[in-house]
Amino acid sequence: EAGVAQSPRYKIIEKRQSVAFWCNPISGHATLYWYQQILGQGPKLLIQFQNNGVVDDSQLPKDRFSAERLKGVDSTLKIQPAKLEDSAVYLCASSLDPGVQAEAFFGQGTRLTVV
Amino acid sequence: AQTVTQSQPEMSVQEAETVTLSCTYDTSESNYYLFWYKQPPSRQMILVIRQEAYKQQNATENRFSVNFQKAAKSFSLKISDSQLGDTAMYFCAFMRGGTYKYIFGTGTRLKVLA
Repeated sequence: EAGVAQSPRYKIIEKRQSVAFWCNPISGHATLYWYQQILGQGPKLLIQFQNNGVVDDSQLPKDRFSAERLKGVDSTLKIQPAKLEDSAVYLCASSLDPGVQAEAFFGQGTRLTVV
Repeated sequence: AQTVTQSQPEMSVQEAETVTLSCTYDTSESNYYLFWYKQPPSRQMILVIRQEAYKQQNATENRFSVNFQKAAKSFSLKISDSQLGDTAMYFCAFMRGGTYKYIFGTGTRLKVLA
């Protein structure tokens, strides 16, 4: 079975520019997560989707971050405008219907550097 | 609010030996899951082992086992017969039942020495 796909793997942008990340979850997985992992820290949840509805976006900085999951499959995470402190790895993960299986499967992440 | 604490930022172990990584958590919930994830330099988080809070038996997956002490809110990971490929960051994670949202610790960097 194919895993969670993310692109790009690396991105370098200047502060105040915009950037977008893409995620394709495992086929059939209803739940999709975006995590931010700052160097030396554990991943922090930014947003959680159940199908194409938002379950939790309480830690998403909504003044600059946005995310969508069209048709309950692929998802994009956007930052506009980027700040230096947004430098991090952005991880996408997916899981089956939570009532069936709790654990999430992660992609390889996108490393963002803001200069 | 739930918290997860990993008090060992770095550890090392000789190849073929056994190492234990510590994790404590704080919650007032009774329905939850605990996980250990491995993150190698490739950055992909890989599930190592999971434990349902309602199960008294400690989970085991080949060389990996946990010591789940529910009353003490402790969830340590034991790696037996350590291999060079075990070198990675290890994250302990908590998930409250029904939320399916992970709360991760800060991680332990494990280095297996030849």
